[in-house]
Amino acid sequence: QVQLVQSGPEMKKPGASVKVSCKASGYDFTNSYLHWVRQTPGQGLEWMGWLNPNGGGTNYAQKFKGRVAMTRDTSITTAYLEVRGLKSDDTAVYYCARDRGDALQDFWGQGTPVTVSS
Amino acid sequence: DIVMTQSPDSLAVSLGERATINCKSSQSVLYSPNNKNYLGWYQQKPGQPPRLLIYWASARESGVPDRFSGSGSGTDFTLTISGLQAEDVAVYYCQQYFTTPQTFGQGTKVEIK
Repeated sequence: QVQLVQSGPEMKKPGASVKVSCKASGYDFTNSYLHWVRQTPGQGLEWMGWLNPNGGGTNYAQKFKGRVAMTRDTSITTAYLEVRGLKSDDTAVYYCARDRGDALQDFWGQGTPVTVSS
Repeated sequence: DIVMTQSPDSLAVSLGERATINCKSSQSVLYSPNNKNYLGWYQQKPGQPPRLLIYWASARESGVPDRFSGSGSGTDFTLTISGLQAEDVAVYYCQQYFTTPQTFGQGTKVEIK
């Protein structure tokens, strides 16, 4: 069965970077785009962008361009989200989610809480 | 960006009764060449990720009970839960995937009256 297993909670100071991983199994990793979505109490669900594991192409939301990087390691079917220059309002649960083939997400990881605080 | 607005923010419904959630987009999410509305609905329970219920505005995802149905086109959409069950208590979100950035509604919390 399709599974997306994310790395554990993170606590970071303002200005630091965080890298979240998303291990995929149960399907052909290179055959489906992966999206990253975050959830904050204030902004709700926010789409951050997608990664094409086949080739590494990306499409970032304008809001996050220059501050995030979505990468992958196909040998271990794992995708990564790096966020740089963390601010307190980056405190959120970060989700990876598989694209069902039409830009919508069907399977989601369990979420990675990231807390940014001095 | 397309703004998605849900109403109401919360509602309380008796067990077995109907719950209706509305979602309005600031511009049409209907793609004319294939006549598909790029609108999905998710259910989220506390401590869990969102679960996809409906895609193309009205198509039910595999495994989703048939008491969940979606309707609408263009800019106005509805999620209906016919015969609310206790396990349906959750927050429901609409999402447009017509264009990037994809955007979500603010959520509607459904509770038991």
